[in-house]
Amino acid sequence: QVQLVQTGAEVRKPGASVKVSCKASGYTFTSYYMHWVRQAPGQGLEWMGMINPNGGKTTYAQKFQGRVTMTRDTSTTTVYMELSSLRSDDTAIYYCARSLNGMDVWGQGTTVTVSS
Amino acid sequence: DIQMTQSPSTLSASVGDRVTITCRASQSISDWLVWYQQKPGKAPKLLIYKASSLQNGVPSRFSGRGSGTEFTLTISSLQPDDFATYFCQQFNLYPWTFGHGTKVDIK
Repeated sequence: QVQLVQTGAEVRKPGASVKVSCKASGYTFTSYYMHWVRQAPGQGLEWMGMINPNGGKTTYAQKFQGRVTMTRDTSTTTVYMELSSLRSDDTAIYYCARSLNGMDVWGQGTTVTVSS
Repeated sequence: DIQMTQSPSTLSASVGDRVTITCRASQSISDWLVWYQQKPGKAPKLLIYKASSLQNGVPSRFSGRGSGTEFTLTISSLQPDDFATYFCQQFNLYPWTFGHGTKVDIK
């Protein structure tokens, strides 16, 4: 079946970086864009950016420009999201989600905690 | 960025009620709007795409309407499984943006 499986929870100190992976299976990896969305505790959803697995072109939200890097590995059908210069307000659940018309399949989420 | 304004932020209702959630875009987005349902501790689930198309497997009591800047999500007869938070999201322009959510809870 179609699924996206993300890495487990991460804890980082302020100023560090984190790299979250999202492994896709059950569909043609290069046929769907992949997005990253985060949700801070008790808050709403925030779109961070997307990557086209077919070629690797990315589009990032202005808020994260310079701090986020999204990449993909077609040999392992995995996308990655790396966020640098972490702050306490980056503490959130990070989701990957594929899109066709909207985001129809989501990963289970990865909790990233930034704390000294 | 396109701002998405949802109302109400909280809605208290009973099983069997008809409920409607509104989403307004700060500029026209044609019908490039989706609705998600999210339950605590879970990822969002796509309900409606292109403003009014029902995602496969979603019960027919869910429906979406609208175009341009005004959109609605209606649940025709609220079921126990429907108590959740609902988000609208535009995908007309990057950055994609979400409404702040509407929590539907038990009256």
